[in-house]
Amino acid sequence: AQTVTQSQPEMSVQEAETVTLSCTYDTSESDYYLFWYKQPPSRQMILVIRQEAYKQQNATENRFSVNFQKAAKSFSLKISDSQLGDAAMYFCAYRSAWAGANNLFFGTGTRLTVIP
Amino acid sequence: DTGVSQNPRHKITKRGQNVTFRCDPISEHNRLYWYRQTLGQGPEFLTYFQNEAQLEKSRLLSDRFSAERPKGSFSTLEIQRTEQGDSAMYLCASSGKVGDTQYFGPGTRLTVL
Repeated sequence: AQTVTQSQPEMSVQEAETVTLSCTYDTSESDYYLFWYKQPPSRQMILVIRQEAYKQQNATENRFSVNFQKAAKSFSLKISDSQLGDAAMYFCAYRSAWAGANNLFFGTGTRLTVIP
Repeated sequence: DTGVSQNPRHKITKRGQNVTFRCDPISEHNRLYWYRQTLGQGPEFLTYFQNEAQLEKSRLLSDRFSAERPKGSFSTLEIQRTEQGDSAMYLCASSGKVGDTQYFGPGTRLTVL
């Protein structure tokens, strides 16, 4: 089974600074999707960014970007110009690209605190 | 708002009681997923529907759990004879085509006393 590891239970960043959240995964597959989801306190999980494994270019969404290292099985999230609203649990997730695969495998999350 | 909705948002029950949760997916999505999230953990997959067919069930889904999606629209998750270990957040997600992003609802937080 695929496993996703987030080795940083908690991280903090000063407002307007940059922070990087780490994620590694284990798989024998060559084609898959990787995701970062954000879960604010008592609010629903929302997609931050998505990366297809076959794409070499790292995904970017406004202040959020990833560093996807396929050979190293690493998928880190960089948040630039951090804002107070970025404070949340961040989950890294893996999904096989195989048509019969249906579920996401999540890491244990990183709690991000933004310091004013 | 056309996102995924879940009801109730909170449920407190006594051990041994039955509970039922409802999920309404995004209207054009034919794929629906249930996950369970315990404190300090990421969500874990429970089951998956494509239209009305339940195509996959996790080993986490014991025989006390049953899920339905009778008309391929909303889904229900029932837990019979609840146990304290069932206390968790139950999340529903939906997606469109294969490979599409899953969009999550706000969850139902279950507390079993």
